[in-house]
This record gives sequence, C-alpha cells and structure tokens, in this order.
Amino acid sequence: DSGVTQTPKHLITATGQRVTLRCSPRSGDLSVYWYQQSLDQGLQFLIQYYNGEERAKGNILERFSAQQFPDLHSELNLSSLELGDSALYFCASSVGSGGPLSYNEQFFGPGTRLTVL
Amino acid sequence: GQQVMQIPQYQHVQEGEDFTTYCNSSTTLSNIQWYKQRPGGHPVFLIQLVKSGEVKKQKRLTFQFGEAKKNSSLHITATQTTDVGTYFCASADGLTFGKGTHLIIQP
Repeated sequence: DSGVTQTPKHLITATGQRVTLRCSPRSGDLSVYWYQQSLDQGLQFLIQYYNGEERAKGNILERFSAQQFPDLHSELNLSSLELGDSALYFCASSVGSGGPLSYNEQFFGPGTRLTVL
Repeated sequence: GQQVMQIPQYQHVQEGEDFTTYCNSSTTLSNIQWYKQRPGGHPVFLIQLVKSGEVKKQKRLTFQFGEAKKNSSLHITATQTTDVGTYFCASADGLTFGKGTHLIIQP
C-alpha cells in the first residue's frame, strides 16, 4: 500500500459525458501527478500540482482539467469523453516539487480504470 | 521535454535466466529513475541514479547509469517468477516515462 488513494476504482460511462477522478496523496506529500496509461502504452504524464499550484503540464487535452485543493487532494476532470479516453488513470504523489535536480520518488495510487462506451 | 526509449518491448525468459532492459535518451539526463509495475498493479519506485557511471545493486537487480548520462540499464540475475512485470525508466524530471519492458517468465 503506497498511501495514495484513488476513487473510484472503476468507472464506466458513455461518450460525451463528464467524469471526475479523485486522488488523496500520502500524508506530507505536497506534489500530485496525474498519468494516463493505455493498453500497451507507457505512462503518459498529464499534469502536476505542487502545494495547490500547477507545476508542470504534459500532454493533457483541453477537455481535461485538474486542480489541487487546500487539503492537497486533487481531482482530474475529463469532459466530452471519447472512446479513446478509455484508460487507466494513475495519481502519484511526492514530497517535493520535483525537477531534474531533485530526488523525486513518486508513490503511485492503485489507479482508476475508465471505460468509455 | 526529454524523451526516453526503452528496449526491448517484451522479453521472454526461462526462470533462472538473466534479464536486461535498456533505456536511452538523445539528451543528457540529470538523473534517471526505474519503476516496476506488476500485472494489474501500479508502478513502484525502485531506484534513482544520479552520477555518471553509477552502479547500484538491490539483491539480484543491478542498475547502471552510463558515463555520458544518456543511457541506463537494469539487469536481473537468475530471474524468479516474482520478477514478472513491466519495468519502466523515467527521465530526470521524473515525468517522462519510457514505454517499458514487459518481462515474461516461463517456469
């Protein structure tokens, strides 16, 4: 158990709908990261928040948005869903803000499996 | 951002054989990380390498960082069924992951 929690575990919805994925980081971690993992694909970085502020942005679609709240939990909002959005969405947390010169061990949650029908 | 390429994509080995996965970058990396993801599980951090030419060992796992800091490798000696999974390298910023090497072990 990494200490990172994600809800829900599974989500089945229809095209065009909107969903919200939730993540609670490990106690004491200030950074939250969101990743998308599709079949046979690696981990695609979406976005990082550090202490409530957006820190880094990856290949996140305009239909997707995220935020980190004062209690440090984070939500990833996916709207106008398409079939291709079906994937496993991971949240990870780390103590620091990250960056190439830092020790940046990330702790991953169990993931939310999104199926768009 | 940085890109990292991993090879091979899949590796089948007999239990007891050795296994190696390679990670390559076109640019110099400040550091590199390795993660393991078991089937149906989530990625778990294994190690971070920082220094040029660095070699670190964790039991049967040996991690190397190239002299030019553009490549890295993970070697597993005498694989066991518990080693099954996908091994990912991640770039210095910790945000760019390779596509992973799937290790499949035949008993």
